[in-house]
Amino acid sequence: KAGVTQTPRYLIKTRGQQVTLSCSPISGHRSVSWYQQTPGQGLQFLFEYFSETQRNKGNFPGRFSGRQFSNSRSEMNVSTLELGDSALYLCASSSSNGGSDTQYFGPGTRLTVL
Amino acid sequence: LAKTTQPISMDSYEGQEVNITCSHNNIATNDYITWYQQFPSQGPRFIIQGYKTKVTNEVASLFIPADRKSSTLSLPRVSLSDTAVYYCLVGFAGKSTFGDGTTLTVKP
Repeated sequence: KAGVTQTPRYLIKTRGQQVTLSCSPISGHRSVSWYQQTPGQGLQFLFEYFSETQRNKGNFPGRFSGRQFSNSRSEMNVSTLELGDSALYLCASSSSNGGSDTQYFGPGTRLTVL
Repeated sequence: LAKTTQPISMDSYEGQEVNITCSHNNIATNDYITWYQQFPSQGPRFIIQGYKTKVTNEVASLFIPADRKSSTLSLPRVSLSDTAVYYCLVGFAGKSTFGDGTTLTVKP
């Protein structure tokens, strides 16, 4: 099976702009989670989508949003970018069939805000 | 959410066995324990997962005591390429928290 893919891999934006990141989960996986990773804050959970519905949400401002499509692909959007949004954004998918529900991560999108 | 605590860093030498312990005192009954390896600017890579006792795969072993309040990742005969950050994760997507991870440095 192909792994989790994320596009684009690298992105440079300026303050005030908005950005959309994309994630394609492993085939058959219905849950997609997003994480932000920065040197100072580590890996922080943004939100999780399951069957096109946001099921869990982390402690991030409303500028961070996401959605999931019927084919389980997911996008996250960050509006009004700030310098502090520079980070590695990671997507993870899981089958969410109960039991162990292992998350598998993509390679990430490196966002740089200038 | 189960909070995890790991040593910040560990050093080892090539060929040695490395054991990294993670504490998770408030683990819930349904929580599994998962370990990931991460290299700089890459996504975490799944290593091993367990619920209780011992689990072994081709790259590592995971030891979980009966009370499940801790777990130990064992890497046999490490090499320089095992230098990375190792995270233990307790729980499910959206109901789990990554700790700060353990930076393992393997020296020649």
